Amino acid sequence: KAGVTQTPRYLIKTRGQQVTLSCSPISGHRSVSWYQQTPGQGLQFLFEYFSETQRNKGNFPGRFSGRQFSNSRSEMNVSTLELGDSALYLCASSLWTGHYNEQFFGPGTRLTVL
Amino acid sequence: AQTVTQSQPEMSVQEAETVTLSCTYDTSENNYYLFWYKQPPSRQMILVIRQEAYKQQNATENRFSVNFQKAAKSFSLKISDSQLGDTAMYFCAFYGGSQGNLIFGKGTKLSVKP
Repeated sequence: KAGVTQTPRYLIKTRGQQVTLSCSPISGHRSVSWYQQTPGQGLQFLFEYFSETQRNKGNFPGRFSGRQFSNSRSEMNVSTLELGDSALYLCASSLWTGHYNEQFFGPGTRLTVL
Repeated sequence: AQTVTQSQPEMSVQEAETVTLSCTYDTSENNYYLFWYKQPPSRQMILVIRQEAYKQQNATENRFSVNFQKAAKSFSLKISDSQLGDTAMYFCAFYGGSQGNLIFGKGTKLSVKP
């Protein structure tokens, strides 16, 4: 069974631009969570989607948004990029939500904002 | 709110020796899960070991074991017979309460030296 895939793996943008990152979960998994990893703040939860609905949201500004499609693939979008948005963005998939079940992580997308 | 603290930013150990990584957490929840994740330079986050809070017995996975002290809110990871492939960032994480996401510590960078 294929693992979680994220595209693109690397991305360079300039301030003010917007970016869309994609995450394809493991087949059969319906929950997708997104995390931002930076050297200063560590790993922080962005949001979780299950059955095309946002179930949970972290403490990030409205410039960060996401969505999930009927095939469980998820995208996250960051508008009006800032230098501080440079980070590794990880997504994780799991079978369901609401109760613990193991989250499987993708390799991440490295976003650099210049 | 739950917090996870890893007080050792960096550690090193000689190959074949034993090393212990520390983690403390704070929560008012009674039912929760604790984890150690490994993130090698390839960036892929891998689950090393999981502990359910209601289980008194410490979890073990081959060379990896934990010392779970619920009253003290302490959750340390012991790596026995360290191998070069154990070189990675290690993150302690918490799952529980009303939020459906993992809460991570800042990580410990472990270097295994030949």
